Amino acid sequence: GAVVSQHPSRVICKSGTSVKIECRSLDFQATTMFWYRQFPKQSLMLMATSNEGSKATYEQGVEKDKFLINHASLTLSTLTVTSAHPEDSSFYICSASYRVAGGPRELFFGEGSRLTVL
Amino acid sequence: GQQVMQIPQYQHVQEGEDFTTYCNSSTTLSNIQWYKQRPGGHPVFLIQLVKSGEVKKQKRLTFQFGEAKKNSSLHITATQTTDVGTYFCAGRDSSYKLIFGSGTRLLVRP
Repeated sequence: GAVVSQHPSRVICKSGTSVKIECRSLDFQATTMFWYRQFPKQSLMLMATSNEGSKATYEQGVEKDKFLINHASLTLSTLTVTSAHPEDSSFYICSASYRVAGGPRELFFGEGSRLTVL
Repeated sequence: GQQVMQIPQYQHVQEGEDFTTYCNSSTTLSNIQWYKQRPGGHPVFLIQLVKSGEVKKQKRLTFQFGEAKKNSSLHITATQTTDVGTYFCAGRDSSYKLIFGSGTRLLVRP
C-alpha cells in the first residue's frame, strides 16, 4: 500500500496564533491531496483539494485566507490555520489518492492532527 | 451539492449478531467506496464498488451497490468486537473528489 504521514498529531495553541500541519506521501508521488476536517463523532468534511504546483480548490464555505494550503512538491502539502480561534479546534486529516497494483484508486489517509485552540 | 447520507447513525449489537448500514446519495455515483475508522484512528479503505448491482464479499462483510448507483449497503455477519468502529461510505460522482457519508458507528457488546 501507500503511506501518508501527517505531522503534528496533536497541537495546542493560543487564540490568534497560526498553526501549520504537514502531510507527506512517503512512498509515492501525490499530485493531488485532500484536506478534511472532522468534528467529534461526525463525518469527514472535505475542505479543499490541494494541487501540486497550483492553487488549492476550496469547498464552499471554507475560507481561503483562513486555511492556507501549499502543495510545493509531489510529496508534501501543508495546511496553515491562520489566526486560530477556539471554533477552529478540530481533527484535521489529509489524504492522497493512490492506485495499488491491480486495485482501484483509493484514498490513503494520514494519521490526522488534533488541533486545540485555547 | 452532492449529499451522502447513512443510516443508522449508531448501532449497538451483541457479539454474534448481524449489522447493516445503508448509504444513500442524492446523485448518481460513478463508484462508491467504504472506509472503516477505529476510535481515535484514521479512515482505512475497505472496498470499492463500480458496477450497478455489484456485490462484493470480504470474509464476513458483504457490500452491495444499488441498481441505480445511488445507494449502497454494508452487511456484517456475526459481528465481533474487532468490528467496532465507524463505517463510512464515500461516493464519487462526475467530479474527482470523494464525498463521505455521515457514518454509522458500530458498538459490539462482548
